[in-house]
Amino acid sequence: DAGITQSPRYKITETGRQVTLMCHQTWSHSYMFWYRQDLGHGLRLIYYSAAADITDKGEVPDGYVVSRSKTENFPLTLESATRSQTSVYFCASSDTGVNSPLHFGNGTRLTVT
Amino acid sequence: QKEVEQNSGPLSVPEGAIASLNCTYSDRGSQSFFWYRQYSGKSPELIMSIYSNGDKEDGRFTAQLNKASQYVSLLIRDSQPSDSATYLCAVSLAAGNKLTFGGGTRVLVKP
Repeated sequence: DAGITQSPRYKITETGRQVTLMCHQTWSHSYMFWYRQDLGHGLRLIYYSAAADITDKGEVPDGYVVSRSKTENFPLTLESATRSQTSVYFCASSDTGVNSPLHFGNGTRLTVT
Repeated sequence: QKEVEQNSGPLSVPEGAIASLNCTYSDRGSQSFFWYRQYSGKSPELIMSIYSNGDKEDGRFTAQLNKASQYVSLLIRDSQPSDSATYLCAVSLAAGNKLTFGGGTRVLVKP
């Protein structure tokens, strides 16, 4: 089925460890986005990508790394996890950028202990 | 001032009534406006998009945009208990490919 898939759904990791959250979409959308959602802050943009090999920072990029070698994949890596990165992470895609609707994955709930 | 502001609620409405949600934004150059619904523990799902001034209706939902006053609203007619959720307003900023979300309004529809 076409769609956007995130994995894992739940992840517990320790402070200082590297963790990668995966995002895969089958629509061939050009744009992909990573958001985090926290109580009191709503959805905040971490990074986005307009096409393969093109990425740019969002509102809260510090501590995160992204890559996009293929159009369909947009992994998000926390190089050295901190407790403040405990959050729900959503990946999204859209056809023509932010002027077209975003389609969200089911989210990854990450806990950093 | 936040770029996109919403009343956090909860907005409590009786079943069958109209729920009215408001959203204001700060960037006068914003072009695209969206309403998403998010159930607890789920991901946001698109309800409406609106790009020009005026009203846009889709079933029980009506989005209203007033660029001069920098607000966008969502009306939910004949509210149902299944409409109980958090509604997120999202606005695309004039510069860059960035969609900014408001904090969301929690709606509770009581039978």
